[in-house]
Amino acid sequence: DGGITQSPKYLFRKEGQNVTLSCEQNLNHDAMYWYRQDPGQGLRLIYYSQIVNDFQKGDIAEGYSVSREKKESFPLTVTSAQKNPTAFYLCASSLGTDSSGEQYFGPGTRLTVT
Amino acid sequence: QQQVKQSPQSLIVQKGGISIINCAYENTAFDYFPWYQQFPGKGPALLIAIRPDVSEKKEGRFTISFNKSAKQFSLHIMDSQPGDSATYFCAASKNAGKSTFGDGTTLTVKP
Repeated sequence: DGGITQSPKYLFRKEGQNVTLSCEQNLNHDAMYWYRQDPGQGLRLIYYSQIVNDFQKGDIAEGYSVSREKKESFPLTVTSAQKNPTAFYLCASSLGTDSSGEQYFGPGTRLTVT
Repeated sequence: QQQVKQSPQSLIVQKGGISIINCAYENTAFDYFPWYQQFPGKGPALLIAIRPDVSEKKEGRFTISFNKSAKQFSLHIMDSQPGDSATYFCAASKNAGKSTFGDGTTLTVKP
């Protein structure tokens, strides 16, 4: 089945630790995105990548880092510099430019930092 | 600066009623306006989308109405069902680039 996988579904970390969230897609999409979702606040863009080995900051990039070494993978690291990391994290992908613009979302990772 | 404003934040409708969610945008360069549906604990999924060259698009019980001059678009859910209870997000993008999302509307359809 084609789609986006995120692992793990639930993640618990102690404050001060870096943590990496996985996102893999087998849709052959060029573009990938990371969003953070907090209750009542919608989807906020953290980072996005439109091509391998290139990525751009979104609206709330501080305290996060990404890499795009392979087309199918776009891991997100939540660093200890992120002041309030507890949230639901969503990865998405799209065909990229010259396409409809539709984004396909993964099932999300709920991160809890205590 | 929020470029897509969505209202209402929450909506309660009786089964069989019409649910209406509205969005307003600012950037006239936007050329793709999707609506996503999200169930609790899941990722959003595309429900229906429209481009600015048409004023309305219908898919089953779901209709998007688009008003280019007013820079507004809305989602209408006819004959709303309890299974439609979810959070709905409008979005806008240009040139199939990154999307700007509204804050979401939590819809509850009472049986």
